[in-house]
Amino acid sequence: GQNIDQPTEMTATEGAIVQINCTYQTSGFNGLFWYQQHAGEAPTFLSYNVLDGLEEKGRFSSFLSRSKGYSYLLLKELQMKDSASYLCAVMDSNYQLIWGAGTKLIIKP
Amino acid sequence: GAVVSQHPSWVICKSGTSVKIECRSLDFQATTMFWYRQFPKQSLMLMATSNEGSKATYEQGVEKDKFLINHASLTLSTLTVTSAHPEDSSFYICSGKEGLEVGELFFGEGSRLTVL
Repeated sequence: GQNIDQPTEMTATEGAIVQINCTYQTSGFNGLFWYQQHAGEAPTFLSYNVLDGLEEKGRFSSFLSRSKGYSYLLLKELQMKDSASYLCAVMDSNYQLIWGAGTKLIIKP
Repeated sequence: GAVVSQHPSWVICKSGTSVKIECRSLDFQATTMFWYRQFPKQSLMLMATSNEGSKATYEQGVEKDKFLINHASLTLSTLTVTSAHPEDSSFYICSGKEGLEVGELFFGEGSRLTVL
């Protein structure tokens, strides 16, 4: 079967750095997405990785290792508004998105 | 970034009635539209995939006669929940993609349906 694993919940302090991990097992691979979802709102796109390595975009970076079936989302200089759920999703060989259950990130002052 | 406008944002209806949710892509042509539902504290569950001008492809366990999807144009897709029941209460989200290649999904704002 196909599955995406990510921690259910994480807590971090304002101004700090947090890394949210995602491991996956899918039928084929056509890229990995990270989305941010605030409570009661639709997800918003953060990043897309299809090649190994680190993609940096402002305070957010995303890393991919295809051989390990592993990705992480790195958030720097955490702000209170970063409190949200972070969804990892992998596009399989049929171009279907397989979604993780999301990681709820709680930021404390 | 591209925008998908979804409405209504909130809808409350009586059991047995039908509810239509619309998604419009405002600045791109949504070749493919995905419809998701999301229960509290759970991830997105794909209900169906529709390509413009074609019948939607429903995921296993999703009743196509209950959840009617129409994607008549490249900028408009609708989901109609027919004969809604309290168990259909959920957060419904559409997302659109331009072209047939791998690319970013643009999500609508979501519609929260409550069936009394």
